[in-house]
Amino acid sequence: EAGVTQSPTHLIKTRGQQVTLRCSPISGHTSVYWYQQALGLGLQFLLWYDEGEERNRGNFPPRFSGRQFPNYSSELNVNALELEDSALYLCASSFRANYGYTFGSGTRLTVV
Amino acid sequence: LAKTTQPISMDSYEGQEVNITCSHNNIATNDYITWYQQFPSQGPRFIIQGYKTKVTNEVASLFIPADRKSSTLSLPRVSLSDTAVYYCLVGTSLGGGYQKVTFGTGTKLQVIP
Repeated sequence: EAGVTQSPTHLIKTRGQQVTLRCSPISGHTSVYWYQQALGLGLQFLLWYDEGEERNRGNFPPRFSGRQFPNYSSELNVNALELEDSALYLCASSFRANYGYTFGSGTRLTVV
Repeated sequence: LAKTTQPISMDSYEGQEVNITCSHNNIATNDYITWYQQFPSQGPRFIIQGYKTKVTNEVASLFIPADRKSSTLSLPRVSLSDTAVYYCLVGTSLGGGYQKVTFGTGTKLQVIP
């Protein structure tokens, strides 16, 4: 069974640009979660999608947005990139939350 | 939303048992406690999950006292490959079986040869 896959694995962008990160959940999982992890820091909750709808979002500005597609894959969009957006962006999926999350390997975004 | 508190770091020698305690004083009735392991530049990996008493799997044990205000992850006979950050999570059920979890700061475990 394939795990959670994220693309791209690494990305370098210039300040002010826009970026789209992609996540494919484990087959059968309906929930997708996005987390940001700056270097040396813990995981900050970004967004939670389930059944195509945004269920909750963390304390991030509106330039962080996303969506979930009918096949449950998801995109995270970040507009007007800032230097502090440089981080590892992790996607996780679950069937039901009480079963625990499965994380992908993340996308390393560097903003210069 | 229950907040978790863990030690920032711990050192242990190879072959020893390691116990990492997490405090979650505001845990709600429907909350589950989950532990994850994270290596550098990788996504966290699920280790174990429990609701009360004791849970054991092939990797670890999780001890939860009756009041559920804390939990202890026990790693038997650690090896160098267990060097990682360990996160304690308390999940809040929002109905319909869904949950939003908050990651704490994590405990950086360093296993020494």
